[in-house]
Amino acid sequence: SQTIHQWPATLVQPVGSPLSLECTVEGTSNPNLYWYRQAAGRGLQLLFYSVGIGQISSEVPQNLSASRPQDRQFILSSKKLLLSDSGFYLCAWRASGSSYEQYFGPGTRLTVT
Amino acid sequence: AQSVTQLDSQVPVFEEAPVELRCNYSSSVSVYLFWYVQYPNQGLQLLLKYLSGSTLVKGINGFEAEFNKSQTSFHLRKPSVHISDTAEYFCAVSENFNKFYFGSGTKLNVKP
Repeated sequence: SQTIHQWPATLVQPVGSPLSLECTVEGTSNPNLYWYRQAAGRGLQLLFYSVGIGQISSEVPQNLSASRPQDRQFILSSKKLLLSDSGFYLCAWRASGSSYEQYFGPGTRLTVT
Repeated sequence: AQSVTQLDSQVPVFEEAPVELRCNYSSSVSVYLFWYVQYPNQGLQLLLKYLSGSTLVKGINGFEAEFNKSQTSFHLRKPSVHISDTAEYFCAVSENFNKFYFGSGTKLNVKP
């Protein structure tokens, strides 16, 4: 069966510090991968999605970036965090092709102080 | 980009009462529509979806939703709610399964 992992579960970082959140998927190949941010009152905001290794599409211009160095690994990064980067970050995967269902990870709670 | 509007941020309801959670989207082109549910301290999971065909779709736990193309709506309903339905519900839309746009969520609070 497929499993999606995210770490860390919680993170407290000062303004201006770098960020690296990791997401890995097991039990499937060539998944579509997604990063969302869930902020209070704003629901899920699509940040990035990837249909393959090295292929990243950005939905929201900001100081975050994403990379996909391996087929089942998706990384969210920032060189310098802002207070507004605080939120709950969710990774999701979807089987490539016509599959419609997304499967979400447990999330990372990021607090920028 | 798509826009999804969930008009009610919170919906309080008594157990065994009916409930409707509203969702409207912006696109005039063909879309696929979804409802996801997030139970307390759990991840999001798919509740139901509309891909094509019958405009009334049924999902898990007795929920159903109706797709209305002319009103660009996809409202979620349940005739009789239970305490266990207390959760946050998200409406989502996609044009091609590559990108999904979610609404701001509706917190359903079922009271005894």
